[in-house]
Amino acid sequence: DTGVSQDPRHKITKRGQNVTFRCDPISEHNRLYWYRQTLGQGPEFLTYFQNEAQLEKSRLLSDRFSAERPKGSFSTLEIQRTEQGDSAMYLCASSLAAEPTDTQYFGPGTRLTVL
Amino acid sequence: DAKTTQPPSMDCAEGRAANLPCNHSTISGNEYVYWYRQIHSQGPQYIIHGLKNNETNEMASLIITEDRKSSTLILPHATLRDTAVYYCIVTTLTSSGTYKYIFGTGTRLKVLA
Repeated sequence: DTGVSQDPRHKITKRGQNVTFRCDPISEHNRLYWYRQTLGQGPEFLTYFQNEAQLEKSRLLSDRFSAERPKGSFSTLEIQRTEQGDSAMYLCASSLAAEPTDTQYFGPGTRLTVL
Repeated sequence: DAKTTQPPSMDCAEGRAANLPCNHSTISGNEYVYWYRQIHSQGPQYIIHGLKNNETNEMASLIITEDRKSSTLILPHATLRDTAVYYCIVTTLTSSGTYKYIFGTGTRLKVLA
């Protein structure tokens, strides 16, 4: 399968711990996105990379959150000092920059539970 | 804020066509309409997108009104596996050159046996 993959699929952690999630985009996709989804809501945009450059960050991305895409391939999302409010599904998507529009393809998500 | 309005839920009999409406009255001339669906606990799945012409693929058809203020996603022969939350999205071009998706709460479609 050559779709977007995310690891781990589930993560349970205690409040105050740090967690890191990984996303592997579709091969050759140069754009990568992170979203957060809470129960009953649609996904909310967090941040976006074009190749290795982080070009946009949502105000939802507090200073406890950091994302990287060091070689323009896979990406990591780290949450420091987790809080119960961070419990959510974290989704990654990728796309190939194209005109006049490009289509995002989503991974299966990482479900985070903060106890 | 989401630029689309969808009914919160719909039911459809198995084997019948499912018609899911979406209002996007503030859409701009170069903004696309995208449809995704999300089956419980999975990531959103791309279905179809369009600008102003009607579109069809192996999954669905997309009908966009002439004034582009609304659209309808049509699943021609709904099956139980089509039970999901369906999201209608109008893409927004950002200053960084990408198209941002702003999801609403979608339509929860339940296909009934």
